[in-house]
Amino acid sequence: GAGVSQSPSNKVTEKGKDVELRCDPISGHTALYWYRQSLGQGLEFLIYFQGNSAPDKSGLPSDRFSAERTGGSVSTLTIQRTQQEDSAVYLCASSLVASTTDTQYFGPGTRLTVL
Amino acid sequence: AQSVTQPDIHITVSEGASLELRCNYSYGATPYLFWYVQSPGQGLQLLLKYFSGDTLVQGIKGFEAEFKRSQSSFNLRKPSVHWSDAAEYFCAVGAGSNTGKLIFGQGTTLQVKP
Repeated sequence: GAGVSQSPSNKVTEKGKDVELRCDPISGHTALYWYRQSLGQGLEFLIYFQGNSAPDKSGLPSDRFSAERTGGSVSTLTIQRTQQEDSAVYLCASSLVASTTDTQYFGPGTRLTVL
Repeated sequence: AQSVTQPDIHITVSEGASLELRCNYSYGATPYLFWYVQSPGQGLQLLLKYFSGDTLVQGIKGFEAEFKRSQSSFNLRKPSVHWSDAAEYFCAVGAGSNTGKLIFGQGTTLQVKP
């Protein structure tokens, strides 16, 4: 079956612009996670959803970052007033439920470049 | 707070040689531990995981890892490396049983020499 998909695969934007990144999880997966992969920072957790609610937003780096999930499926990560330090690969993952024992399946990522 | 340290940023081994990638974690309770691999242009793929029981776990692609509580380590091993194993490897610890949130190490890039 289809895996986790993310769009766009690449996004180049100018500093100060808003961007939206999309994640389409595996069908039937109720948990969805966003991570960020930056040079020198490794993989950082941003936020996760169980259904449409986000019990843990602790990894969002600033209030310029927000995410939503509607219909328990697709999620959008929005970055407002982008800065150069936001340049990174943004990874999405999904799992059947939000449990550490449940395998997370990762998408290919969106590479964001802020000029 | 939970954390994961991968001491080696970059490792080079010859094809056919054995491999060990180091991972140390910090976690107050019994940890849930994972190794993921990221090949160029690919998403992360789960290699293996440890939750409880036998401390030596087998994974895909011939990899294994050993959980050592006394050393707070979960090192990844492979007896004979193939050129296709060149990739970035990430160790991770689960932040809590009810969240699924993973705390990742910085990653180790493996280069394989012919």
